[in-house]
Amino acid sequence: AQSVTQPDIHITVSEGASLELRCNYSYGATPYLFWYVQSPGQGLQLLLKYFSGDTLVQGIKGFEAEFKRSQSSFNLRKPSVHWSDAAEYFCAVGARQAGTALIFGKGTTLSVSS
Amino acid sequence: ETGVTQTPRHLVMGMTNKKSLKCEQHLGHNAMYWYKQSAKKPLELMFVYSLEERVENNSVPSRFSPECPNSSHLFLHLHTLQPEDSALYLCASSQVTGIGDTQYFGPGTRLTVL
Repeated sequence: AQSVTQPDIHITVSEGASLELRCNYSYGATPYLFWYVQSPGQGLQLLLKYFSGDTLVQGIKGFEAEFKRSQSSFNLRKPSVHWSDAAEYFCAVGARQAGTALIFGKGTTLSVSS
Repeated sequence: ETGVTQTPRHLVMGMTNKKSLKCEQHLGHNAMYWYKQSAKKPLELMFVYSLEERVENNSVPSRFSPECPNSSHLFLHLHTLQPEDSALYLCASSQVTGIGDTQYFGPGTRLTVL
């Protein structure tokens, strides 16, 4: 069955510290992979995506993610977290057939302490 | 207006009411989606319209009825809802190119069913 697992429900990081959010997926074929961020009361904003090519992808707001096929992982990283990064982060996997559903993880809530 | 817009942003309705959610995309895309986001559950796809035809109905109860009059507009008609239907309803759009696509989300409608 297709699924996305985000093992950490809630993470607290000090401002200026590095961040890594984990994402593992189960998918029958080579997937497309996405990270979205959702601030309270808002919709989902695309941070970055992986379709093919370089397995390290850069996104907006200083985020990056690395696709590791052998580990079925697509972890999100940021070298130095800012207080404004506090939000909920969703990993998603999509089929290569366009116009189909994204499968989302349950999300990881990031809190940033000063 | 830019991106994907949704109205209303908040809606409170009784179980016997009929209401509609509206989504409009200003991105020139040709596919639109309705997702449901409930507390502590992953986002769930409800409906997909690609090139104005419904291509996937994820076993959604008939009390939810989608309508896509053109490629820019998507509606979700609601009637005789249940309290468990209270959730954030997110609209998304994408450009179907045949090699995968990226979905862009609106801010959502927060629905409360009394």
